[in-house]
Amino acid sequence: NAGVTQTPKFQVLKTGQSMTLQCAQDMNHEYMSWYRQDPGMGLRLIHYSVGAGITDQGEVPNGYNVSRSTTEDFPLRLLSAAPSQTSVYFCASKTGGSYNEQFFGPGTRLTVL
Amino acid sequence: AQTVTQSQPEMSVQEAETVTLSCTYDTSESDYYLFWYKQPPSRQMILVIRQEAYKQQNATENRFSVNFQKAAKSFSLKISDSQLGDAAMYFCAYRSFETSGSRLTFGEGTQLTVNP
Repeated sequence: NAGVTQTPKFQVLKTGQSMTLQCAQDMNHEYMSWYRQDPGMGLRLIHYSVGAGITDQGEVPNGYNVSRSTTEDFPLRLLSAAPSQTSVYFCASKTGGSYNEQFFGPGTRLTVL
Repeated sequence: AQTVTQSQPEMSVQEAETVTLSCTYDTSESDYYLFWYKQPPSRQMILVIRQEAYKQQNATENRFSVNFQKAAKSFSLKISDSQLGDAAMYFCAYRSFETSGSRLTFGEGTQLTVNP
């Protein structure tokens, strides 16, 4: 199993550009999430999904869209990038049960100029 | 909403010594889970240890153990016999005891340095 994969690893955008961060998992996990990590703030939840076709907002959803058309994939879209979206983005997945471990991808470092 | 606070932005320890990282949280829920994650320079998030709030016994994983004080809403991580490979950012995290169970609330992180 590859686990949770994210592409790209690094990305530089100009203000106003749009892009999609890709996330895929091959563990047949129902739950997938997107977090952003900023210095001194830990990781904050952007959006999450409890299954194909079901998504919901997390703590910091503004400026981001998600969709979940398959169990495996959970892309994160930046509609119009802003410098405040400069961050490291992590995708995560887990199977059912609150005690179960959440598996994280390797992260994407995004810089918006 | 739950909050998690790590009041020590940085800590250091000598190799082979013991260090304790602090974490406090705020919640009105009675059932929940607590986690410690390690993030080395590779950026990968690695689960270190987890605790179920309804269990009084503190969790232990090899050299890692927790001191869980439910009434005080405290969840500290003790690393014994510290090794150079323990140097990393450590995050405390909270998860509600709910059916979706996918949302984690993280603290700010503590950067641990291990001195040889």
